[in-house]
Amino acid sequence: DTEVTQTPKHLVMGMTNKKSLKCEQHMGHRAMYWYKQKAKKPPELMFVYSYEKLSINESVPSRFSPECPNSSLLNLHLHALQPEDSALYLCASSQELEDTQYFGPGTRLTVL
Amino acid sequence: DQQVKQNSPSLSVQEGRISILNCDYTNSMFDYFLWYKKYPAEGPTFLISISSIKDKNEDGRFTVFLNKSAKHLSLHIVPSQPGDSAVYFCAASAGGGNKLTFGTGTQLKVEL
Repeated sequence: DTEVTQTPKHLVMGMTNKKSLKCEQHMGHRAMYWYKQKAKKPPELMFVYSYEKLSINESVPSRFSPECPNSSLLNLHLHALQPEDSALYLCASSQELEDTQYFGPGTRLTVL
Repeated sequence: DQQVKQNSPSLSVQEGRISILNCDYTNSMFDYFLWYKKYPAEGPTFLISISSIKDKNEDGRFTVFLNKSAKHLSLHIVPSQPGDSAVYFCAASAGGGNKLTFGTGTQLKVEL
């Protein structure tokens, strides 16, 4: 089973809203990732967690706040986003940091 | 600075024929390469990978070739099927690292 689940599938929010994206995997993977993908562009890495600790932050604005409450869950808290933050947000996981990453279906976010 | 390039944004192939998708990279530190397939509104699906110690890896209809001296890899799909129609991304990482750098993708269309 190589399934990574993400909720919600779609999210529309205003610039003053606070919302969260959720990612879950039950493969026992110890590394989890957030990517952002704009239309017709490749996925871009945002954050990496390894053993529930933040390993990489690719200079992401503080209006995006990741959280890894346990080894199976990864959240992305959103606050005061801008319309240009509208994108597909992808979560991925891997057994360890250097292993193959498996992606979830993504959350399509629209910021009005 | 696009370190991983897929110079063909689209490719059209007849069913049953071979599809060849190409990818070039500039960073000589890359030592692990992957191909992902992506349908619209879904996350990338891992297809096949290759380490820099190999020059070929095969999995069913999919074969990846790596030419380190030319910094070039290719994905061969044979025979191509209509269900293979998707966007294909190549990705690379360095030193067993966790940061994947994606190419810009090639839209493959397999026609009946």
